[in-house]
Amino acid sequence: AQSVTQPDIHITVSEGASLELRCNYSYGATPYLFWYVQSPGQGLQLLLKYFSGDTLVQGIKGFEAEFKRSQSSFNLRKPSVHWSDAAEYFCAVGDNNNDMRFGAGTRLTVKP
Amino acid sequence: GAGVSQSPRYKVAKRGQDVALRCDPISGHVSLFWYQQALGQGPEFLTYFQNEAQLDKSGLPSDRFFAERPEGSVSTLKIQRTQQEDSAVYLCASSLDFDNEQFFGPGTRLTVL
Repeated sequence: AQSVTQPDIHITVSEGASLELRCNYSYGATPYLFWYVQSPGQGLQLLLKYFSGDTLVQGIKGFEAEFKRSQSSFNLRKPSVHWSDAAEYFCAVGDNNNDMRFGAGTRLTVKP
Repeated sequence: GAGVSQSPRYKVAKRGQDVALRCDPISGHVSLFWYQQALGQGPEFLTYFQNEAQLDKSGLPSDRFFAERPEGSVSTLKIQRTQQEDSAVYLCASSLDFDNEQFFGPGTRLTVL
């Protein structure tokens, strides 16, 4: 069965520092992998997704993620965090764009 | 509007009341999804429509939950005899067609007292 684990419930980083949010998945084949961001009162917004090809995926807002099959991971990174990046981040895995299973999320706090 | 809209944004219900939550998808989007997001959790799939056909309702937690999309556009999620455990944010998403990116609405926060 598909499952997603986001080991960090809450992360605090200083503005301008680098960021890495962890995501581990359990899946029988090569999955579709997604990262979404959810700001308070807003809907989920897709940051990036992977389903084939280059394992380093570029997304919006300066985010990137790397698919590592050997580690069953799809960690999200950003080289320099902005205060506006404070939000909840969700990793998801699925068979396709329709069938997504979400992790429990990581809340990001950005210190000035 | 340009995006998915949901109404009401907030709903407080007394235990046992029926509620109806509305989703207006992006115009022309064929696929529509409902998710339930409990506090501190990620969204969990409830049900999926392709036009007016409900193709998957495997995520509906009980027979108190019912969704419809009679004309293939607006959808309503109805919860009968609400219970406290139904308190959550209910998210709607739409996509252009099967296997395209889903666009999410802001959600309806339901609180059952």
